[in-house]
Amino acid sequence: DVKVTQSSRYLVKRTGEKVFLECVQDMDHENMFWYRQDPGLGLRLIYFSYDVKMKEKGDIPEGYSVSREKKERFSLILESASTNQTSMYLCASSPQRGRNTGELFFGEGSRLTVL
Amino acid sequence: GENVEQHPSTLSVQEGDSAVIKCTYSDSASNYFPWYKQELGKGPQLIIDIRSNVGEKKDQRIAVTLNKTAKHFSLHITETQPEDSAVYFCAASIFDAGGTSYGKLTFGQGTILTVHP
Repeated sequence: DVKVTQSSRYLVKRTGEKVFLECVQDMDHENMFWYRQDPGLGLRLIYFSYDVKMKEKGDIPEGYSVSREKKERFSLILESASTNQTSMYLCASSPQRGRNTGELFFGEGSRLTVL
Repeated sequence: GENVEQHPSTLSVQEGDSAVIKCTYSDSASNYFPWYKQELGKGPQLIIDIRSNVGEKKDQRIAVTLNKTAKHFSLHITETQPEDSAVYFCAASIFDAGGTSYGKLTFGQGTILTVHP
């Protein structure tokens, strides 16, 4: 089974702190994604990466950055956390090309509260 | 970009009844329409998907229909059970087997389905 692991299930941070959300997948997937989930807004794409050291902005990248130094790991960084970044963050992965069926494989989420 | 609208936001049914969730999309180039189920405390999981070259797909108690002309698609769950209670998301994307679209999904707002025993 595909396993996408998000290192922290719950985090509480203060305004202005730097926050790292880590995601690791074990299926040798090329594509990795960070989504943000808010009630009534669904899942919105923050950033994605299709290869090591490659990144592309999604629909709501403002206030976020990402790092992909290894194929299996994709990190979401909040340089200076703000209260409006309180949310559930979901990491996902998928393979490319011949192995790609369209399905995204999600982690269980990281719930971030910024005070 | 793509925009996906999903209705209703909440749906309450009695066990054994049917449930229908509807989505519309804006980009006529979208050709892949998955549905994800998110149980409490878990990440979303794919339950069924449909590609634009078919109008309907069934998998046991769940089915999805697609109307390309009207740009809408629907999830149908028959004989609902309490374990069907979850949040359901529709999504749309431009999918190509070559992978150059990277599989980015645009999601709807979600529907909280509650099935009462």
